[in-house]
Amino acid sequence: EVQLVESGGGLVQPGGSLRLSCAASGFTFSSYWMGWVRQAPGMGLEWVASIMKDGGQKKYVHSVEGRFSISRDNAKNSLFLQMNSLRAEDTAVYYCVRDIDYYRGDYWGQGTLVTVSS
Amino acid sequence: QSALTQPRSVSGSPGQSVTISCTGTTSDVGGYNYVSWYQQHPGKAPKLMIYDVIERPSGVPDRFSGSKSGNTASLTISGLQAEDEADYYCCSFAGDYILGVFGTGTKVTVL
Repeated sequence: EVQLVESGGGLVQPGGSLRLSCAASGFTFSSYWMGWVRQAPGMGLEWVASIMKDGGQKKYVHSVEGRFSISRDNAKNSLFLQMNSLRAEDTAVYYCVRDIDYYRGDYWGQGTLVTVSS
Repeated sequence: QSALTQPRSVSGSPGQSVTISCTGTTSDVGGYNYVSWYQQHPGKAPKLMIYDVIERPSGVPDRFSGSKSGNTASLTISGLQAEDEADYYCCSFAGDYILGVFGTGTKVTVL
């Protein structure tokens, strides 16, 4: 059974940092693109970052470029999102997503809430 | 990249059909056959319902179907059921150098 379990969310002050993790199981992690999608309270979905199977290519939404960094450890079946210089507008539930190419997310984690507030 | 345009809400009675539109441009919806649709119940993670415009993942009822014409993709729910009440989002590939683009979301209400 495919499982994606996020952790690392919480309350952080503006300008602070957080590192999200996603533990994957039930599939060959290194065979898939992976990504993070976020959803601000009461709002829609937004792809935040995506990473190639071997970590060689990474993409970011413009609003987080230079502040967020996506990475993966295929040996540990784990996906990460390092978030620096956090802003109030980064407040959202962050989902870990398995991407079967072309942003087709066939499995999603349960989400982890990030709240940026003083 | 701008969000794809969806109606804010649609509604129908049990057994009826509803169609949700997703309008983009030639740079996304119109340029590729990589449109997917997601269902999201309150407090839950999204679930993939349609991919590659018309394909249904295993386990998704055949009441759900997708189509595309020009820059507009559509999701049709036939034989509407109470459990179909949820938010629905489309998403399109928009080229190799940017991330996928989601639609604005549509709330489906079963009357």
